[in-house]
Amino acid sequence: KAGVTQTPRYLIKTRGQQVTLSCSPISGHRSVSWYQQTPGQGLQFLFEYFSETQRNKGNFPGRFSGRQFSNSRSEMNVSTLELGDSALYLCASSLTGPSIYGYTFGSGTRLTVV
Amino acid sequence: DQQVKQNSPSLSVQEGRISILNCDYTNSMFDYFLWYKKYPAEGPTFLISISSIKDKNEDGRFTVFLNKSAKHLSLHIVPSQPGDSAVYFCAASEEGNNNDMRFGAGTRLTVKP
Repeated sequence: KAGVTQTPRYLIKTRGQQVTLSCSPISGHRSVSWYQQTPGQGLQFLFEYFSETQRNKGNFPGRFSGRQFSNSRSEMNVSTLELGDSALYLCASSLTGPSIYGYTFGSGTRLTVV
Repeated sequence: DQQVKQNSPSLSVQEGRISILNCDYTNSMFDYFLWYKKYPAEGPTFLISISSIKDKNEDGRFTVFLNKSAKHLSLHIVPSQPGDSAVYFCAASEEGNNNDMRFGAGTRLTVKP
């Protein structure tokens, strides 16, 4: 079966701009989580969606937002980009949310803010 | 709040020897713990997990040990192979409550031939 697809793979944006990243989960998976990975910080939790509802949100400013569509595809948006937003953004899908069986991650979107 | 900590940013071992990656946590309510492996330009892949009611889980060359009293878990890889060279993330989650999974900062393992 197809894995988790994230688009685009690479993105370069200028400070102050906004960006939208997309994630298509594995077919049948209804939970999508987003993480930000930066060197030394590991994976920082952004938010989790299940059946179009945001169930939990990490400790990020309101510039970071997301949504999930009825087909479980998810988007995250970052407005007023800052240099510190440069990171690898990872999407993870699962059937119903966190479990002992883990997540399936996409390959990520590498965002560079200049 | 860094509820899951990996204090060693890197580890280097010789091929054929044992690799031991460590992870500490602060939240005693975590119900299960997972290890992920990440190669460059790829997303993390699930490796092995353990429930909080167990103290050991083994899958081939990989064994995870959990010490709840010390809030510590470790991943043992025996024997280590050059293909194991990657960044390893420890993760933990609390059943049903938060709908999120907390990750450590990762440990870069290098296995030398």
